[in-house]
Amino acid sequence: AQKITQTQPGMFVQEKEAVTLDCTYDTSDPSYGLFWYKQPSSGEMIFLIYQGSYDQQNATEGRYSLNFQKARKSANLVISASQLGDSAMYFCAMREFGTASKLTFGTGTRLQVTL
Amino acid sequence: EAGVAQSPRYKIIEKRQSVAFWCNPISGHATLYWYQQILGQGPKLLIQFQNNGVVDDSQLPKDRFSAERLKGVDSTLKIQPAKLEDSAVYLCASPTPGLASSYNEQFFGPGTRLTVL
Repeated sequence: AQKITQTQPGMFVQEKEAVTLDCTYDTSDPSYGLFWYKQPSSGEMIFLIYQGSYDQQNATEGRYSLNFQKARKSANLVISASQLGDSAMYFCAMREFGTASKLTFGTGTRLQVTL
Repeated sequence: EAGVAQSPRYKIIEKRQSVAFWCNPISGHATLYWYQQILGQGPKLLIQFQNNGVVDDSQLPKDRFSAERLKGVDSTLKIQPAKLEDSAVYLCASPTPGLASSYNEQFFGPGTRLTVL
């Protein structure tokens, strides 16, 4: 079974608009962390935001926020005021603390910001 | 602090040839990961080291892939012999040391893009 599911292969958003990238996850471990990474065409993986399973509040980092709905097992990334430089692949990932500390990634969403 | 270094950045080989990738993690980081990212997919863990020891290599195709981390610093990943399906980007990562286990950001290197013809 997929541990991380990203159902949107591609998304378009206009500059200055907000966009939500979906991520659902599956785990029986009560202690886990959820990550979002950005991968531009140059290939490097850039860490964006983190949400711990016990965190009471949704994480925010500048224009990035994470809409964490634990009961629904979803961790959607919201990018506000999109910029052309936000065009990239976005990956959701999870680490289950009961096992090894590896990250399990989703298949990614390609975001294209248009004028 | 310097980031994760990887070389080469690009490599093209023919199938059945051998290839090796090198990674130098962030100074002082005990944990090191190698991921394989096939085009259109997310990265998949191949092997995790803690210092010199292997923590997880459950997804490493051991008949052709090998990895070592001598002296708990640099690491090499080798493929011998390569197959067409090994064409991918190979990413090395190391986590932030000294933070609580609930937050463990992984810093990734720039990756090595392997093309097997």
